[in-house]
Amino acid sequence: DSGVTQTPKHLITATGQRVTLRCSPRSGDLSVYWYQQSLDQGLQFLIQYYNGEERAKGNILERFSAQQFPDLHSELNLSSLELGDSALYFCASSVSGDTADTQYFGPGTRLTVL
Amino acid sequence: GENVEQHPSTLSVQEGDSAVIKCTYSDSASNYFPWYKQELGKGPQLIIDIRSNVGEKKDQRIAVTLNKTAKHFSLHITETQPEDSAVYFCAASNSWGKLQFGAGTQVVVTP
Repeated sequence: DSGVTQTPKHLITATGQRVTLRCSPRSGDLSVYWYQQSLDQGLQFLIQYYNGEERAKGNILERFSAQQFPDLHSELNLSSLELGDSALYFCASSVSGDTADTQYFGPGTRLTVL
Repeated sequence: GENVEQHPSTLSVQEGDSAVIKCTYSDSASNYFPWYKQELGKGPQLIIDIRSNVGEKKDQRIAVTLNKTAKHFSLHITETQPEDSAVYFCAASNSWGKLQFGAGTQVVVTP
């Protein structure tokens, strides 16, 4: 158990809908990362937050947004969902968010868009 | 941006033999190289990492080597056991915490 929690574990929804994925980092970690894992794209970095502020952005679609709250938990919002958004979404956390900081991954949320 | 290539994509080994997975990266500014193990239905689990000021690191049956000149790093697992069966990912980081992952290696250890 990494100490990173994610809810829900599974999510099934329809195209065009909006969902929210939630992540709680390890105790003491200030930085949160979101990754998408799909069969064709592998593990892709989406976005990073540090202490409530956006720090780095990857190939995140404009339909996707995220935020980190004062209690350091984070939410990833996915809207206007398409079939291709079906994937595993992982949250990771680290202490400081610096380049060589160890990232610990949560168990993931499996999103299925029908 | 950073590009990480990982080989092989699948690796089948006999229990007790060694397994080696190799990765190359493109950005010479990358300075952090973690390896993750992912079992079915679970999130990636860090097994070992190496920073650019070190050439080799070992933790029990697992070792990682880094050649910054050639821009490649490798994972070595000795005395493989059935519980080592999983997908292994290498990654490289060159800015903040943005990890660029390899495509993964499916390792199967047969008794």
